[in-house]
Parts: sequence; structure tokens; C-alpha cells
Amino acid sequence: ETGVTQTPRHLVMGMTNKKSLKCEQHLGHNAMYWYKQSAKKPLELMFVYSLEERVENNSVPSRFSPECPNSSHLFLHLHTLQPEDSALYLCASSQDRGTNEKLFFGSGTQLSVL
Amino acid sequence: KNQVEQSPQSLIILEGKNCTLQCNYTVSPFSNLRWYKQDTGRGPVSLTIMTFSENTKSNGRYTATLDADTKQSSLHITASQLSDSASYICVVSSGINAGNMLTFGGGTRLMVKP
Repeated sequence: ETGVTQTPRHLVMGMTNKKSLKCEQHLGHNAMYWYKQSAKKPLELMFVYSLEERVENNSVPSRFSPECPNSSHLFLHLHTLQPEDSALYLCASSQDRGTNEKLFFGSGTQLSVL
Repeated sequence: KNQVEQSPQSLIILEGKNCTLQCNYTVSPFSNLRWYKQDTGRGPVSLTIMTFSENTKSNGRYTATLDADTKQSSLHITASQLSDSASYICVVSSGINAGNMLTFGGGTRLMVKP
């Protein structure tokens, strides 16, 4: 248990659905991240939040919309996704954004878009 | 362009044997190099973090080495166990921020057989 909890663990959705992924960290960290892990590809950074403020949007399509209501919670709202968006979505947190900070990952949400 | 290349892509060994995974990187500027273990269907878990001045670091049966001159790192696993079956990901950090200046390798998938 890393202290970062993601729900749901698995999600199947159609291209016209709207769904949300949830991440909660119990570590008192100030920075939270969304990563995408596609099959046989390296992890790709999507969004970075520091003290509830978005500080990075890594050229992610607008059909992905993050929300960080407080430093412990992070959401990823999904709408009109494409089949190529099927992947493992990982949330991570770190104490701060310093270069030597360790990232703590959740177990991920395995998303399938039909 | 920053890149992290890992080899081999996959590896099968017998329980109790040792193995070494390789990581080559072209990342600049260099801040630190990390090794993560990712079990199937789970998020990555940090094994080691090494800065420029460190050339070896151990975590139990895992020993990572770093040669900053040749830009190579290795992860040596001693007396492998079935629970070592996982993907091992090499990650290189550049810049001053932890989350948005990480370059991920594609991982080595290790399978330990009885």
C-alpha cells in the first residue's frame, strides 16, 4: 500500500460516455500527477498539480479534464474518448516538486474505450 | 531529445538465479536516475534513486549502479524469487521538478520461473 488510492480499478466506457477517475493520497503531499501508460509504451505525463494549482498540461486533448479540489484529491474527467485512449491511468504524488522527490504511485485505473 | 533505453525487453530466469538489467540514457541536464518495480496491474514502486555522485545503491537483493560518464545504469537482482516477476522501469530526472522532467524507459519484463 503506497498511500495513494485510485478508483475505480477497472472501467469500460463507450465513446459517448462521461466518466471520472478518482485519486486520493493520504501522505500529506503537495504535488499530484496523472500519467498514462499504454501497452508497450513508456509512461507519459499528462497533468501536474502543485498545491491545488495546475502547473503542467502536457499537450493533453481536451477530452481529458483534470480537477484538484484540494491537496489530497485529484480527478480526471473523461468525455467522448477514443479507442486509442484505452490505457492504464496512474495517479502519483510527491511531497513537493523538487528534483529528488520520490513519486508514490497508485495502482491505476485500467480503462477500456469501446 | 531525452531518451531512456532499456534492455532486454523481456527476460526469463529460474528461481534463485541472478540477473542484470540495463539502462542507457541520453538526458540532459541529469539530476538523478531511478529504478521502479511494477507488478502486473499495479503502479510502479520505487526501488532506488541515485544522484550524479552515487555509483551504487542497494535495496535488499536489488543493487543499482550508475556510470554517469557513459550514461549507463544497471539493476542487479540477486537470488531471484518468484515475487521478483514484474516490469522494471528506469527513469531519469532532469531539471528541477520531480514530476514533469522525468523520462521513462519502456521497461524490462522479468519472469522468474520455479
